Parts: sequence; structure tokens; C-alpha cells
Amino acid sequence: AQRVTQPEKLLSVFKGAPVELKCNYSYSGSPELFWYVQYSRQRLQLLLRHISRESIKGFTADLNKGETSFHLKKPFAQEEDSAMYYCALQNTGGFKTIFGAGTRLFVKA
Amino acid sequence: EAEVAQSPRYKITEKSQAVAFWCDPISGHATLYWYRQILGQGPELLVQFQDESVVDDSQLPKDRFSAERLKGVDSTLKIQPAELGDSAMYLCASSLGQRETQYFGPGTRLLVL
Repeated sequence: AQRVTQPEKLLSVFKGAPVELKCNYSYSGSPELFWYVQYSRQRLQLLLRHISRESIKGFTADLNKGETSFHLKKPFAQEEDSAMYYCALQNTGGFKTIFGAGTRLFVKA
Repeated sequence: EAEVAQSPRYKITEKSQAVAFWCDPISGHATLYWYRQILGQGPELLVQFQDESVVDDSQLPKDRFSAERLKGVDSTLKIQPAELGDSAMYLCASSLGQRETQYFGPGTRLLVL
């Protein structure tokens, strides 16, 4: 079964501290993986996708096929990073996107 | 900047009534998605269109839900009859193609009483 698991519902860190949002997936093939973000009172939007290998707003994510993980990391959290973060998987067959339950990140001053 | 539009933004209805949601994707986007997001969960795909054709509706409760995209542009999602468990946020998204970035609308929050 295809599944995305985000084990933390809430993550609270201090400004300037490193942050890591965990994502594990279950998929038999080679999926495409994404991180989406939803800031307060804004729409859900794409943050980054693994094939782009970009750093967006200081965030990076590395696909670890051995551990089936795609954790999101940032070395120094900022208050404006406070938001809801969703990890998502797109299967390579029908291109269906499956989302995790989300992690709320709260960056304290 | 072009955005996905949805209406209404909020809908309160009684169980057994019919409700309909409308989505206008970004112009030129061939792929359109309807998601349901229950409080505390991530979005769940209900139906995916490529132009006017359904490419995935495996999670759509077809006994009560229907979706159409007749001219391959805007789309309507209907629930008839609504049940208490249908209370959720209904999100529409669109993309240029099936592997392209999805752009989300603001959602329609449905409350069934």
C-alpha cells in the first residue's frame, strides 16, 4: 500500500535552532516526493520537490531510498517558518498524489 | 498572478441535502484535482481530471459524489445526499500536466448538520 507517514503532529523549536520534519513513505517503485507548506490564512503551496534538488527558503530535503524517508531540514529556523508542512508522494503510474497528515511547525522567538 | 478560484468558500447544509462546489483552474491547466481534507488529516484525492476525462476517481464515493469537467475548463463537485461525515474542507488544484506543480485554491469548508 502507498502511504506517507509524518510521525510528529507538532514540532516546536526556538528561532535560530535547527529543524527537521520527518517523513517516511511506503511505495514499491520509485516515487516522486514533495513538501507542501500552508502558512496561516494562505493556500497550500509547493515548497520543494526532490527531483529539483533545490534549497527553498533555506529548506532542503534528501531522499533516502534505503530508509524510505524524505526528511525536511533547515539549519536555522525563522519565525516566519511557522506553518503546516505536508509531505506528499506521487506515484509514477497514474500520477496520483498521496499526502501525509502534516506537521505543524511552531518557531518560538 | 493567476490563481485557482473556488466557490462558495463556506457552506452549511443539513444532512440529506444536495451541495455543489465549483472550481475554476488556472487558464491553460489541463489537469484538475479535487481533494477532501478532514480536520487533522492531509488532503485526500477524490478525483483527477486530464482535460475533460477522469483519470482517477478511486476514492470518490460514487453513490453520493459526482464530479464533472464538461469542457475541460471549470469543474463542479456535487454531493447528494450529504452526510454528517462529509464535513470537511474541499480543495481544488490544477496543474499544467500530471507531473507538474499543483496550484491550490482556497478551499470550500463544508459543515453538514
